Amino acid sequence: DAKTTQPPSMDCAEGRAANLPCNHSTISGNEYVYWYRQIHSQGPQYIIHGLKNNETNEMASLIITEDRKSSTLILPHATLRDTAVYYCIVRVGSGAGSYQLTFGKGTKLSVIP
Amino acid sequence: NAGVTQTPKFQVLKTGQSMTLQCAQDMNHEYMSWYRQDPGMGLRLIHYSVGAGITDQGEVPNGYNVSRSTTEDFPLRLLSAAPSQTSVYFCASSSSGTGLFFGQGTRLTVV
Repeated sequence: DAKTTQPPSMDCAEGRAANLPCNHSTISGNEYVYWYRQIHSQGPQYIIHGLKNNETNEMASLIITEDRKSSTLILPHATLRDTAVYYCIVRVGSGAGSYQLTFGKGTKLSVIP
Repeated sequence: NAGVTQTPKFQVLKTGQSMTLQCAQDMNHEYMSWYRQDPGMGLRLIHYSVGAGITDQGEVPNGYNVSRSTTEDFPLRLLSAAPSQTSVYFCASSSSGTGLFFGQGTRLTVV
């Protein structure tokens, strides 16, 4: 799987949009970008994933650059409950390899009142 | 649906003891896996299974055994616990096209 690079920490004011960047410059054509988050002491939670088009769901939006070498997870209106570690993971989209995730250290997002 | 259920939530073992961490899912997912998370670190894959009767090793398999006799259950066995196995263990399941669904974790301390 392609290696990802994320900033170790970020702050965001409550009610503002949180934009979390991820660099994956070695991504290959069959690899998807996945985002998970882990709220303190809980199991990781799936947020969103995409291949090359921008994606949106009830939790967040995922913006992938045209060359697919980087992406941004957007939480449109951050709340205190969004304080968590956010993981950007790149992996193939099918077959046994698609089920193995490599978690890095992620970005610690702190939402400030 | 209960999702992914792990038991126990907390466990203290003495060095050399054995135990089994239980994991069950009710979503009919074919894929299940075990991760461990040490303080300040990301998750590391221990073992995984792509279906009943099929298991394989992940990044850190030493000291752990698994089996998958049913689609629903994927227990993780520690045969002889060591202090280095003190960690939080997460079980996860998924199906084709879905993200991974994680359990709430088992916090294991080996003294």
